[in-house]
Amino acid sequence: DVKVTQSSRYLVKRTGEKVFLECVQDMDHENMFWYRQDPGLGLRLIYFSYDVKMKEKGDIPEGYSVSREKKERFSLILESASTNQTSMYLCASSAQQGAGGNTIYFGEGSWLTVV
Amino acid sequence: LAKTTQPISMDSYEGQEVNITCSHNNIATNDYITWYQQFPSQGPRFIIQGYKTKVTNEVASLFIPADRKSSTLSLPRVSLSDTAVYYCLASKRGGGNKLTFGTGTQLKVEL
Repeated sequence: DVKVTQSSRYLVKRTGEKVFLECVQDMDHENMFWYRQDPGLGLRLIYFSYDVKMKEKGDIPEGYSVSREKKERFSLILESASTNQTSMYLCASSAQQGAGGNTIYFGEGSWLTVV
Repeated sequence: LAKTTQPISMDSYEGQEVNITCSHNNIATNDYITWYQQFPSQGPRFIIQGYKTKVTNEVASLFIPADRKSSTLSLPRVSLSDTAVYYCLASKRGGGNKLTFGTGTQLKVEL
């Protein structure tokens, strides 16, 4: 089975701190994603990457950056955390499928509280 | 990529069939439709995927009419454990996709 592992399940950080959310997938997937989920707003795409060192902005990239130095690892960085970034963050990955649509595999989520 | 629209919520009772419709007016000819299920405090998980007409697996069916402007997820004989949020996603064949989800449908199943 595909496994997407998010390093921290629950975090509490102070306003202004630099925060790293780490994600590792074990299926050699080319594509990796970071989403944010808030009540009533569904899943919102922050950034995605389709190859090592490649990144593309999603719908809400402001206040975030990402890093993909290795194929299996995709990090989300909050340069200076703010209270409005309190949320659940979901990492996901998918293969570069030529014959079918993308099936996305999600991690269990990281609950970040910024105080 | 096509933007998808779903009902915000639906209610049902155990044993009933539930149909959740997703509208995607500008879906491209090579776009796939995929449905995901999410329980509280968990990441979404894959349910079913289709390209056209009908697809069935052990948990659901997916109907995509000829005009492909909408699709319907059908859950036969739901149970309390089917209470979850359901998302549909339109994506192109191949990779490098900006995969954007909609707000999802909250399905509540009662006794």
